[in-house]
Amino acid sequence: QSVLTQPPSVSGAPGQRVSISCAGSSSNIGAGHFVNWYQQLPGTAPKLIIYGDSHRPSGVPDRFSGSKSGTSAFLAITGLQSEDEADYYCQSSDTTLNGPYVFGTGTKVTVL
Amino acid sequence: QLVETGGRATQAGESLRLSCTASSYIGDSFVTWVRQAPGEGLECVAVISPDGSRYYADFTMGRFTISRDTSKNTLSLQLTTLRVDDTGVYYCATGIGNYIDVWGKGTTVTVSS
Repeated sequence: QSVLTQPPSVSGAPGQRVSISCAGSSSNIGAGHFVNWYQQLPGTAPKLIIYGDSHRPSGVPDRFSGSKSGTSAFLAITGLQSEDEADYYCQSSDTTLNGPYVFGTGTKVTVL
Repeated sequence: QLVETGGRATQAGESLRLSCTASSYIGDSFVTWVRQAPGEGLECVAVISPDGSRYYADFTMGRFTISRDTSKNTLSLQLTTLRVDDTGVYYCATGIGNYIDVWGKGTTVTVSS
């Protein structure tokens, strides 16, 4: 059981906007730890798509954006495309746990 | 850039050693093993920080040992007293600060009873 909770699934039609929440607490997101997001296409390794709450690595489309408020973080995908169908994980650090990496529960994005 | 080897099918109670070879210097990075059970999410197994500090997930319970060789740019994970619920894909990865920027393709460990 992760300390970062995500909805199991979200869906949207092509071109729509979807948002994925990542709910944490005062020992992780609320403590100011950066939130990062990963995309995992079926059968492949995860890929970093947002780091430092809201920064996109080179090559990641600008339809992906990240934000944070209080003890929660959010990943938005605007102009949803079929190739965005994947699992998405938030990740941060937690002052009560060992090590720098704690992952969210994961969200499956389905493009209708 | 990261290539894992060593995963295979084995029996509960046995041991395995996973290895990861990096194409660039790993001494300045966090290096980690992240695993994913079939149909489940990601969980960090163990981490070595740039200063050599080691962190382990609670579920390892002293059964796993992470190590690195910065002269060879290799990372290893020794798994002992394997359990059925250790089954999954084990990813080698490197990170900067609190995020992971490079992932290997993973190696599969299957533990049967």
